[in-house]
Amino acid sequence: TQLLEQSPQFLSIQEGENLTVYCNSSSVFSSLQWYRQEPGEGPVLLVTVVTGGEVKKLKRLTFQFGDARKDSSLHITAAQPGDTGLYLCAVRGLVHFNKFYFGSGTKLNVKP
Amino acid sequence: DSGVTQTPKHLITATGQRVTLRCSPRSGDLSVYWYQQSLDQGLQFLIQYYNGEERAKGNILERFSAQQFPDLHSELNLSSLELGDSALYFCASSVGTSDVNEQFFGPGTRLTVL
Repeated sequence: TQLLEQSPQFLSIQEGENLTVYCNSSSVFSSLQWYRQEPGEGPVLLVTVVTGGEVKKLKRLTFQFGDARKDSSLHITAAQPGDTGLYLCAVRGLVHFNKFYFGSGTKLNVKP
Repeated sequence: DSGVTQTPKHLITATGQRVTLRCSPRSGDLSVYWYQQSLDQGLQFLIQYYNGEERAKGNILERFSAQQFPDLHSELNLSSLELGDSALYFCASSVGTSDVNEQFFGPGTRLTVL
C-alpha cells in the first residue's frame, strides 16, 4: 500500500484548459512537497506546504494543503505545453524524518 | 542545472555483475540521498548520508551499499545485479536535514541489466 495516492495517474488535455491533481493519504504530515519531473531529468521541487489549509501560488500553479494535513492538491490554470511532465508529491517519514516517500505521480500531457 | 552531478549517465551490464554509481552534491551541501525510480515502483528512497554518516535507510536491498566520502561525494554500489535492478538511479543533495532544506536532484544514471 502506497503512503501517498496520487490521482489521476494520467491526464491529457488541450492547451488553455484548467486541471487539478490530487495527493491523498490517511496519515497526517508536518509538510508536503510537490515536484515536477521531465523525461530524462531528475525531479525539481515546486513547493513545500507546511500549514493545514495553506495555499501557495507559483504563477499559474496553485497548491493547497488540506486542513487536516493529510492531502494536497495542485491546480493549474490555462495549462501550457511547457507544463507537460510528471507531477510528484512527497512527504518525510512519520517515524524517520530523513526518509522521503513519493507518490506514484500524475503524468500530464498538454497538447498545443 | 541543479548543480548535482551523476556519473555515468547510462550503464548497461549483465546479470550477476557489480557497478558503482557516483554522485557529487552541490557545493556546500552536506546531505546526499539516493533514490531508485522504476516504472512499476515509482521513486523509492534508498538511503541518506549526512557529512559522511548514514542517517536513514529506506528500501535498499542487501546487495546494494553506499557511502559518502570526506569530500562529500557519494557512491552507490550495486552487486549481483538482477534484471529487476534496471531503473533510473537518482542522487539528491541538500544543505542539511531540516524540513526547510530543499533537495536538488541530479540528472540520474540509467542502469540497464541484460
